[in-house]
Amino acid sequence: GAVVSQHPSWVICKSGTSVKIECRSLDFQATTMFWYRQFPKQSLMLMATSNEGSKATYEQGVEKDKFLINHASLTLSTLTVTSAHPEDSSFYICSAPDATRTNEKLFFGSGTQLSVL
Amino acid sequence: GENVEQHPSTLSVQEGDSAVIKCTYSDSASNYFPWYKQELGKRPQLIIDIRSNVGEKKDQRIAVTLNKTAKHFSLHITETQPEDSAVYFCAASIEGGGNKLTFGTGTQLKVEL
Repeated sequence: GAVVSQHPSWVICKSGTSVKIECRSLDFQATTMFWYRQFPKQSLMLMATSNEGSKATYEQGVEKDKFLINHASLTLSTLTVTSAHPEDSSFYICSAPDATRTNEKLFFGSGTQLSVL
Repeated sequence: GENVEQHPSTLSVQEGDSAVIKCTYSDSASNYFPWYKQELGKRPQLIIDIRSNVGEKKDQRIAVTLNKTAKHFSLHITETQPEDSAVYFCAASIEGGGNKLTFGTGTQLKVEL
């Protein structure tokens, strides 16, 4: 299937710092990227949808000023967790659809485990 | 928006037995229903999916059924093996509507020897 590369795979940071997570589509153009957050033993909750060249759409309850999303090109979307706090510690994962595929059409990054001290 | 409920939250079976996980969805416009297997700290892996134009799909030991009228879909795993132990998520989306997935709450499956 298509490949979505996500970095870093894990990050530990101090409270108050900002963390940037990158997702790249390696072999297709990702005009859309979905960003999910998953707390331990819970489901994947959609945070926002980024679209290349336009503003991201945030789900209800997600602070857009805290979770900055940029989708500047057809292969790169970034999520920046600003002024991170311990409650932001979670598994963040992106996914992008590749409409050219006939079967599996949605491809996930490998996830980023964020730990805020 | 879409709401997907999944049960049971945990399921323990003996090796060789069958396991069934059930999901319901709320949006009648949803037409694509994938199932994912996720191991701790890893990305979800698509194991099977079904579209609303069919009622059942099978792939070796895994099958999925869909009842559009009742808005139910189920995952069936036969002849379970220890390596089937993982968390399983159902999801629903509108294909062609951006592929935004709404996930169920997950089922922790444990296959015991």
